[in-house]
Amino acid sequence: NAGVTQTPKFQVLKTGQSMTLQCAQDMNHNSMYWYRQDPGMGLRLIYYSASEGTTDKGEVPNGYNVSRLNKREFSLRLESAAPSQTSVYFCASKLGPWSHEQYFGPGTRLTVT
Amino acid sequence: GENVEQHPSTLSVQEGDSAVIKCTYSDSASNYFPWYKQELGKRPQLIIDIRSNVGEKKDQRIAVTLNKTAKHFSLHITETQPEDSAVYFCAAPIISNFGNEKLTFGTGTRLTIIP
Repeated sequence: NAGVTQTPKFQVLKTGQSMTLQCAQDMNHNSMYWYRQDPGMGLRLIYYSASEGTTDKGEVPNGYNVSRLNKREFSLRLESAAPSQTSVYFCASKLGPWSHEQYFGPGTRLTVT
Repeated sequence: GENVEQHPSTLSVQEGDSAVIKCTYSDSASNYFPWYKQELGKRPQLIIDIRSNVGEKKDQRIAVTLNKTAKHFSLHITETQPEDSAVYFCAAPIISNFGNEKLTFGTGTRLTIIP
């Protein structure tokens, strides 16, 4: 049981490049989340998916898109990376919209130059 | 939406002493308050949470207290140990469409235990 996994662990992009961050969970969870973590700003929600087939914007969605590929996988795409998107990205999941505890992945450290 | 404020941003305590971290929230409808611990380079992990129908919850050396009237909750760590050094985040929920819950996190407290 791997829990929540994320790929890649590290990535360096040039301004304007695109990339997709992958997240998968094997806990049969229904809800999945993408956060970014910047120094002094805590964890800010980018997008979430309460259940398979639904996605919704969080606090800081601009510049990102998401896809809930199936129940297990939730990807985050940067279409045209900007230096302001340099951050650590965490994926998280929980059992369902009604449940509380979120389980986090190991994170992806992204640098945009 | 929910606004969560967390203080202090950094805290240093001598090993064996107690540490207290405080958070305030804005939405009086919030009913669940978790605390996450993040060690350096690691993922956040839930360490304790409290529902709005209780005022205090303890788990060994950690405890959380909730004051719904004042809309604040606190994390208390007693007999601190070096392994308690980490960043701690509080959070409060927003109940969005169709009952979906998402969390608003505080900005974090970096706790350093001095040997």
